[in-house]
Amino acid sequence: KQEVTQIPAALSVPEGENLVLNCSFTDSAIYNLQWFRQDPGKGLTSLLLIQSSQREQTSGRLNASLDKSSGRSTLYIAASQPGDSATYLCAVRPSTGGGNKLTFGTGTQLKVEL
Amino acid sequence: DTGVSQDPRHKITKRGQNVTFRCDPISEHNRLYWYRQTLGQGPEFLTYFQNEAQLEKSRLLSDRFSAERPKGSFSTLEIQRTEQGDSAMYLCASSLGQGLYEQYFGPGTRLTVT
Repeated sequence: KQEVTQIPAALSVPEGENLVLNCSFTDSAIYNLQWFRQDPGKGLTSLLLIQSSQREQTSGRLNASLDKSSGRSTLYIAASQPGDSATYLCAVRPSTGGGNKLTFGTGTQLKVEL
Repeated sequence: DTGVSQDPRHKITKRGQNVTFRCDPISEHNRLYWYRQTLGQGPEFLTYFQNEAQLEKSRLLSDRFSAERPKGSFSTLEIQRTEQGDSAMYLCASSLGQGLYEQYFGPGTRLTVT
């Protein structure tokens, strides 16, 4: 059974700092990995999707990397802003069976302070 | 493209009552997913449809839960004889197909069972 872990569970940083969020998964047989953002009481916003054949993806100040063989992904946020405050979730899709369902981690709650 | 929509956004019900939620996916998306998220946890997969066919159901989906997607458009999730443990955020997502297609999530329906 796939298990996804995110460390740290919570993080508080001053504005302008660069930061890294970590995601690890136990089964390396994945098709892709997605990073999401979730604001309190709201749905999920997709940030980046990395296919298993890719090493990284970039969007603006966000960069996600994937090391499938070691079961790890990182989300790098450059020059953090208060508006980045949210919970960040990673999710993996299995490459064998399982349709398209995603297995999620429990998230990292980020607070960027002025 | 108006995104994935869900109705209602919030539902408060008494234990033992039946509730029904609706999800309208992005119009050209043929896959539709339901997830459940409890406080402090990541979303957990419940079920998914390809067009009108329900292809997989999680063990989390007890006999009190039923989902439909008539005509392969909108979907409904019904919970019969609600229990306090059903209190959660119910999230709907859709995708264009399998493989490299991202899942796009709706805003969720927050259910509170008193």
